[in-house]
Amino acid sequence: GDSVTQMEGPVTLSEEAFLTINCTYTATGYPSLFWYVQYPGEGLQLLLKATKADDKGSNKGFEATYRKETTSFHLEKGSVQVSDSAVYFCALSDRGQFYFGTGTSLTVIP
Amino acid sequence: DAGVIQSPRHEVTEMGQEVTLRCKPISGHDYLFWYRQTMMRGLELLIYFNNNVPIDDSGMPEDRFSAKMPNASFSTLKIQPSEPRDSAVYFCASSLGGPNSYEQYFGPGTRLTVT
Repeated sequence: GDSVTQMEGPVTLSEEAFLTINCTYTATGYPSLFWYVQYPGEGLQLLLKATKADDKGSNKGFEATYRKETTSFHLEKGSVQVSDSAVYFCALSDRGQFYFGTGTSLTVIP
Repeated sequence: DAGVIQSPRHEVTEMGQEVTLRCKPISGHDYLFWYRQTMMRGLELLIYFNNNVPIDDSGMPEDRFSAKMPNASFSTLKIQPSEPRDSAVYFCASSLGGPNSYEQYFGPGTRLTVT
């Protein structure tokens, strides 16, 4: 069945460092892919999405490209800020089903 | 729109008591999801509804858990009787369904503590 695998955390970076959080997926259909972010004490919020191969989702300086050939949707940001400290979830939807990864905790230190 | 609304935000109860969590989805959304989040198990989908009808409840841990959606603007998740291992944050989410572009909008969660 469908699934999402994302890199384990926690990840700790210095401010202005480059961020990559890896996400790979398994799907039998043509899924849509998402990154959600959860700030401390809050619910998940959609960060970005891509609905077909080669689409690039972007928001707040974050980017992720839907790579069908490598079944990946890695999250990147060129320069992280302290305010980016949160838990990031990769997710997919496919034929009426929705799957979340286990989440990657990011801490950015000044 | 006010977003997904959940109540209460915090609930502390004793083992054996009945607990009812409430959710109001975003108006017009036709899917509603209940999740549980713990440090040990992460985010787990418990059940979801489409047009008020339960579609998949395979994530409901046991018969002590039940969920209803009597109308398009209200859903409840009930635990009876509650146990300490039910302590978690429970999220409700809603979405406007489509074949492949579900974007789920999450509520702020209910933090449940069972002592």
